[in-house]
Amino acid sequence: EVQLVESGGGLVQPGGSLRLSCAASGFTFNSYWMHWVRQVPGKGLLWVSRINNDGSSTDYADSVKGRFTISRDNAKNTLYLQMSSLRAEDTAVYYCARDLLTGYQLLPFDYWGQGTLVTVSS
Amino acid sequence: ERVMTQSPATLSVSPGERATLSCRASQSVSINLAWYQQKPGQAPRLLIYGASTRATGIPARFSGSGSGTEFTLTISSLQSEDFAVYYCQQYNNWPRTFGPGTKVDIK
Repeated sequence: EVQLVESGGGLVQPGGSLRLSCAASGFTFNSYWMHWVRQVPGKGLLWVSRINNDGSSTDYADSVKGRFTISRDNAKNTLYLQMSSLRAEDTAVYYCARDLLTGYQLLPFDYWGQGTLVTVSS
Repeated sequence: ERVMTQSPATLSVSPGERATLSCRASQSVSINLAWYQQKPGQAPRLLIYGASTRATGIPARFSGSGSGTEFTLTISSLQSEDFAVYYCQQYNNWPRTFGPGTKVDIK
């Protein structure tokens, strides 16, 4: 069974840093592109970042570029999101998600974690 | 960036009735369009991809159509478990973008 379990969320002050983790199981993690998507409670979904299967290629939403870094440890089957210079508008539930298939670039997300809440406030 | 819009924002439907949700892209996304269902406190669930292909385990009452810039999700006969928020997403271009959602609630 495919499972994605996020952790690392919490309360952080503006300007602070936080690292989110997503532990993957039930599939060949090193074959899949992975993503982070966030959602302000009660609002819509925003794609944040993606990383290819071997970690050699990444991409970011403009709103987080230069502040967030996505990475992965395929030996540990874990995806990360290092967040720095956090702002109030980064407050959201952060989900990790997996591409539907391997070997293609135009794909939706088929499995999502349960999300971890990040609150940026003084 | 492809901007996705959805209509209506809220759709009130009685159980057993048909629901038709619309999604529009600001520029063509070919058929690289997905629909997700989200219930309160849960992660989104993939329903449809490739504009019309049901994801694994999705009931046949869910169907998708369209291409280019205009897309439709149809739920043929609403069940109690279908009352939720539905999002469309384009995956033709970066950044991946989602519509604002359509809430389907009980009439």
